[in-house]
Amino acid sequence: NAGVTQTPKFQVLKTGQSMTLQCAQDMNHEYMSWYRQDPGMGLRLIHYSVGAGITDQGEVPNGYNVSRSTTEDFPLRLLSAAPSQTSVYFCASSLRGIGGYTFGSGTRLTVV
Amino acid sequence: DAKTTQPPSMDCAEGRAANLPCNHSTISGNEYVYWYRQIHSQGPQYIIHGLKNNETNEMASLIITEDRKSSTLILPHATLRDTAVYYCIEVLTQGGSEKLVFGKGTKLTVNP
Repeated sequence: NAGVTQTPKFQVLKTGQSMTLQCAQDMNHEYMSWYRQDPGMGLRLIHYSVGAGITDQGEVPNGYNVSRSTTEDFPLRLLSAAPSQTSVYFCASSLRGIGGYTFGSGTRLTVV
Repeated sequence: DAKTTQPPSMDCAEGRAANLPCNHSTISGNEYVYWYRQIHSQGPQYIIHGLKNNETNEMASLIITEDRKSSTLILPHATLRDTAVYYCIEVLTQGGSEKLVFGKGTKLTVNP
């Protein structure tokens, strides 16, 4: 039982490049979310999903796409990276909202 | 925006109880209060949650006032490893979805 696994742990992108941050969980959790955390700030919700095939926008969705084709995976796509997307990204999952969310260890992204 | 209010920082002596307050004066009847903590730059960790009764688990106790407008997280015997940012969150439930809205939290420093 690995919990929530995020890859890569670190990434440097050039402005305009695209990439996908991977998130996988092996706990059969229905709910999954993506957050970003900027220095000295709390976490802000980007997108979330309540099950396979269902996604919705959070507070700061612009510039990001998600899909949920399986229960286990919830990738986050940056379409055209901008320096403003430099941040730490956390993925989280929960069993239908019961109890708390389990967070991954994060992906540290720098866009130059 | 987060609807909870927490002091930005607190100090506690090692071995003593740490009492972290949270105001959530606009909480509605079906919203839970959740507590998470974030140690250094790791992913947030779920601690405890409650609706209106006091709750206790192996990590902490949660005391919710009768009017539900505030709560206190209690770490009974704080250790240096409890130094972290603690977030108090109202869990918003909309049509089966669940979203966490993080504020800036309380930076707890446990001193030797």
